[in-house]
Amino acid sequence: DAGVIQSPRHEVTEMGQEVTLRCKPISGHDYLFWYRQTMMRGLELLIYFNNNVPIDDSGMPEDRFSAKMPNASFSTLKIQPSEPRDSAVYFCASSPRGRTMNTEAFFGQGTRLTVV
Amino acid sequence: AQKITQTQPGMFVQEKEAVTLDCTYDTSDPSYGLFWYKQPSSGEMIFLIYQGSYDQQNATEGRYSLNFQKARKSANLVISASQLGDSAMYFCAMREGNTGKLIFGQGTTLQVKP
Repeated sequence: DAGVIQSPRHEVTEMGQEVTLRCKPISGHDYLFWYRQTMMRGLELLIYFNNNVPIDDSGMPEDRFSAKMPNASFSTLKIQPSEPRDSAVYFCASSPRGRTMNTEAFFGQGTRLTVV
Repeated sequence: AQKITQTQPGMFVQEKEAVTLDCTYDTSDPSYGLFWYKQPSSGEMIFLIYQGSYDQQNATEGRYSLNFQKARKSANLVISASQLGDSAMYFCAMREGNTGKLIFGQGTTLQVKP
């Protein structure tokens, strides 16, 4: 398997524009996580899905952020409108079926978002 | 509430010496897993080691070992015989068995000096 695939790897956009980040999890994995990494706040969990269903979105910063998982092989994180403070590295991770407590998450390479 | 804390923003260690990176956690779920990840300057997240809440023995993986003290709710990572390539950011993480939620600490930057 190719691992978790995120696109784009880098995104530069102007304030106010819509940004869509994409993630393809590892086939057969039933958990999908979205994280945001900044120097100030570390690695924050934004939202996670189990079997395509959002379980906990309490980490989503505000209504400008939304995430979907229309099927087992694709998820999106959308920011509309984007602001400079959204600049960060966004990671997607997936984990396989099994006892959740002992299964690690596999990470994508991340998307570095810069909002100017 | 589920919480994980790394109190050391940065650490230095001499090459070939051992180093301990601290991690404490809190959860009301009796079933949980503790993980350590390494993030080199290239940015990828690399899984290092896992410890389950019911495991009786501390986990080891090569030069990595996890000092698990359940009563103290700590899960410190010990790296023996440090190498220059160990210079990176290290994250402690916890996953609750009941929810599957996986959260991370703030991270510790480790620099290995030659």
